[in-house]
Amino acid sequence: DVKVTQSSRYLVKRTGEKVFLECVQDMDHENMFWYRQDPGLGLRLIYFSYDVKMKEKGDIPEGYSVSREKKERFSLILESASTNQTSMYLCASSQGGEAKNIQYFGAGTRLSVL
Amino acid sequence: GENVEQHPSTLSVQEGDSAVIKCTYSDSASNYFPWYKQELGKRPQLIIDIRSNVGEKKDQRIAVTLNKTAKHFSLHITETQPEDSAVYFCAAPPNRDSSASKIIFGSGTRLSIRP
Repeated sequence: DVKVTQSSRYLVKRTGEKVFLECVQDMDHENMFWYRQDPGLGLRLIYFSYDVKMKEKGDIPEGYSVSREKKERFSLILESASTNQTSMYLCASSQGGEAKNIQYFGAGTRLSVL
Repeated sequence: GENVEQHPSTLSVQEGDSAVIKCTYSDSASNYFPWYKQELGKRPQLIIDIRSNVGEKKDQRIAVTLNKTAKHFSLHITETQPEDSAVYFCAAPPNRDSSASKIIFGSGTRLSIRP
């Protein structure tokens, strides 16, 4: 079974703090993704990566950055957290090639910024 | 640009009845259409998918149909059961950059099964 693990289920941070959300996958997947999930808005792509040290902006990258130093780990960084970044964050991964569009999700991190 | 629209946003059906969720997409070159189910408090999981070279695919009580001309695809759940209650997301990949591997998700449908 594919396992995508997010380091925290719940996080509470203060405005202005630097926040790191970590994601690890154990299936040697090429692609990794960070989404945020808000009621009525579905899953919105923040950033994704298709290889180590490679990254591309998704639909809502503002206020976020990412890091992929190793294939299995993809980190989402909030440089200066703001209250409008309170949300559920979901990490996902997928293989390359024919299966690239089948994504496997982590359990999510619910972030509250006070 | 890329867009996937999903309707309805909420759906309530009597147990045993059928449920249908519809999505439209904008990129005519899209060739793969997955559906994800997210139960309360859990992660989204792929339940069925269809490729553009077929018009329908079935897996037990779940089926997906695709109309490429009209650029829409639908999820059909028959004989609904309480465990079908969840949020369902459709998705489609944009073809603008096929190497990018990203997919665009619909906004989700919250399906409730009434006992």
